[in-house]
Amino acid sequence: KQEVTQIPAALSVPEGENLVLNCSFTDSAIYNLQWFRQDPGKGLTSLLLIQSSQREQTSGRLNASLDKSSGRSTLYIAASQPGDSATYLCAVPNQAGTALIFGKGTTLSVSS
Amino acid sequence: EAQVTQNPRYLITVTGKKLTVTCSQNMNHEYMSWYRQDPGLGLRQIYYSMNVEVTDKGDVPEGYKVSRKEKRNFPLILESPSPNQTSLYFCASSPFGGDYGYTFGSGTRLTVV
Repeated sequence: KQEVTQIPAALSVPEGENLVLNCSFTDSAIYNLQWFRQDPGKGLTSLLLIQSSQREQTSGRLNASLDKSSGRSTLYIAASQPGDSATYLCAVPNQAGTALIFGKGTTLSVSS
Repeated sequence: EAQVTQNPRYLITVTGKKLTVTCSQNMNHEYMSWYRQDPGLGLRQIYYSMNVEVTDKGDVPEGYKVSRKEKRNFPLILESPSPNQTSLYFCASSPFGGDYGYTFGSGTRLTVV
C-alpha cells in the first residue's frame, strides 16, 4: 500500500532563505505527484503537478523535482517570504487512480 | 473561473440533525471525491465518484452518504451526525482521476455538538 512521508514536519527560516521540502513515497509506480499549499483552516491550493515522465516543474519561485526510481520529490522555494508561511502537502494517486494519498505535510514559517 | 465550490464554509450542528454539504464544479470533470482532514491523521477519502450515478466508498465512509445525479454536483450527506464527524471537509474534482491533477474546494469546517 502506497505511503507518503514528508520531512521535516515543521521548518522555520528567516526571510530570504532558499529552502527544500522533502516528500517520499513507497511505490514508485505513480501516475504523477502533486504539491499543494494549505493556509491554516483553509483550502488546498495546487502548486505544481509533475507527471511520471517529467523530472521537474517550475512556477515562479517554486521548483519541484521528481525521482521515481528513488521514490522522492523535492519542493524548492527560492528567496522565501513571510507570505510563503503555510503547510505544504505532497500527494500521489493510488494504483487504481481513485484517490489521492497525502503526506502529513511540512508546516513552514518564514520570519521577517 | 475554474473552481470547486463548497457550501457552507462553516457549520455548527447538533448530534442527530441531518445535514448536507454541497459541492459543485464548473470544469466538466468526470471524477469527484470527498475527504476529511483531522489533526494527526491527515487527509482521508470518504467517498468518490468516477461518473454520474457511479459512487464508491473510500477509506472512511461510515456515517456518510453521497449522490451523483448530475456531473457537476456531488453532495455529502450526514444523516445522523455525531461528534466524531467534527472535521474539516474537502471536495475535489479531476478530469478522470489518476493521470490528471486534482482541484480542491475551499473546505467546510463542521462542528457537531
